[in-house]
Amino acid sequence: DTGVSQDPRHKITKRGQNVTFRCDPISEHNRLYWYRQTLGQGPEFLTYFQNEAQLEKSRLLSDRFSAERPKGSFSTLEIQRTEQGDSAMYLCASSLGVREMGNEQFFGPGTRLTVL
Amino acid sequence: EDQVTQSPEALRLQEGESSSLNCSYTVSGLRGLFWYRQDPGKGPEFLFTLYSAGEEKEKERLKATLTKKESFLHITAPKPEDSATYLCAVQIGSSNTGKLIFGQGTTLQVKP
Repeated sequence: DTGVSQDPRHKITKRGQNVTFRCDPISEHNRLYWYRQTLGQGPEFLTYFQNEAQLEKSRLLSDRFSAERPKGSFSTLEIQRTEQGDSAMYLCASSLGVREMGNEQFFGPGTRLTVL
Repeated sequence: EDQVTQSPEALRLQEGESSSLNCSYTVSGLRGLFWYRQDPGKGPEFLFTLYSAGEEKEKERLKATLTKKESFLHITAPKPEDSATYLCAVQIGSSNTGKLIFGQGTTLQVKP
């Protein structure tokens, strides 16, 4: 399967703990996005990488959140000192550049985080 | 403020009963409008991209159309396996990153 993969698929943690998620994009895609989705809502943009450079961060991304994409390949999203409000599905998507017109993003299966 | 609104929030259809889902948008320059299908507990699955008013795309029982203010996803003679949440998203011209702005989705249930 050459789609976007995410690991783990599910994570249960206690409030105050740190968690890290991994995303492996489609191999030739240079653009990588993280989104967060809560129940009954559409995904909300968190951050964007072009190759290894993090070029945009949403105001939803508090100081407790950090994302990296070393060498422009896989990406990690870390949440420090988790709070119950962090419980959500974390989605990763990748795409092959942005043309003058829109470009399709392909999503991974997501990581479901539950903070107790 | 850029905004995407989908209606209805939920839709129940009998198998074979055709209908349409609506996606209204208010954005500062549309670069592209996207439809995704999402099954419970899974990531969104790409369906269509529409770029300009008047454009239409089809795939099996689904047809997406676009005007200057809204998009429709028409479902013809749906089957139970079409049950899912359908998400609409836009990319706006003022963003160089291509980030998507999503609506809240329409949850479709097709009963046999």
